[in-house]
Amino acid sequence: EVQLVESGGGLVQPGGSLRLSCAASGFTFSDHYMDWVRQAPGKGLEWVGRTRNKANSYTTEYAASVKDRFTISRDDSKNSLYLQMNSLKTEDTAVYYCAREQYYSPDLYYFDYWGQGTLVTVSS
Amino acid sequence: SYELTQPPSVSVSPGQTARITCSGDALPKKYAYWYQQKSGQAPVLVIYEDSKRPSGIPERFSGSSSGTMATLTISGAQVEDEADYYCYSTDSSDNLPVFGGGTKLTVL
Repeated sequence: EVQLVESGGGLVQPGGSLRLSCAASGFTFSDHYMDWVRQAPGKGLEWVGRTRNKANSYTTEYAASVKDRFTISRDDSKNSLYLQMNSLKTEDTAVYYCAREQYYSPDLYYFDYWGQGTLVTVSS
Repeated sequence: SYELTQPPSVSVSPGQTARITCSGDALPKKYAYWYQQKSGQAPVLVIYEDSKRPSGIPERFSGSSSGTMATLTISGAQVEDEADYYCYSTDSSDNLPVFGGGTKLTVL
């Protein structure tokens, strides 16, 4: 059974930093692209970014709203995905989900499994 | 930037057919996907590649796409189908993920 479990959320002041983790199990983690998607309170889903697999050099992509502030990384030996968030803003307040990507081609992919999410609150 | 447009809300009585639409300029060339999100829970994929249903999803869920509009149909909607539904696709210019704004389905 595929499982994704996020951790690391909490309250942080504007301008601060936080690192989220996602522990994966039940599938070959190293084969998959992995993503972070967030959801502000009462709002819709917003893609944050992704990391490709080793075969694709672990390259990353980010949404414009978080580019240059957030960094996605992974440790295949620990089946873990990470999101380092710096220079946090109040508008980054959201539940952050990690999601497994089902990838077929650059324009054909989707998220087939999601974690339960971890809440990040940015407030003074 | 690319947008997928959904109605904010749809309401039906139990047993009726619910239809949720998703409009996007690239949908003639791109697949649409649908996620169900119940209150306080993570999204769950209910339709992929326009009309395919993952294992474990009830047969009353179906999807279709024509031109610039994709449609999620719930035939004989149940009270337990009350949720937010999000369409998803990829931007035709940069292939990045895009979610629709979500539709709140009320079944009562």
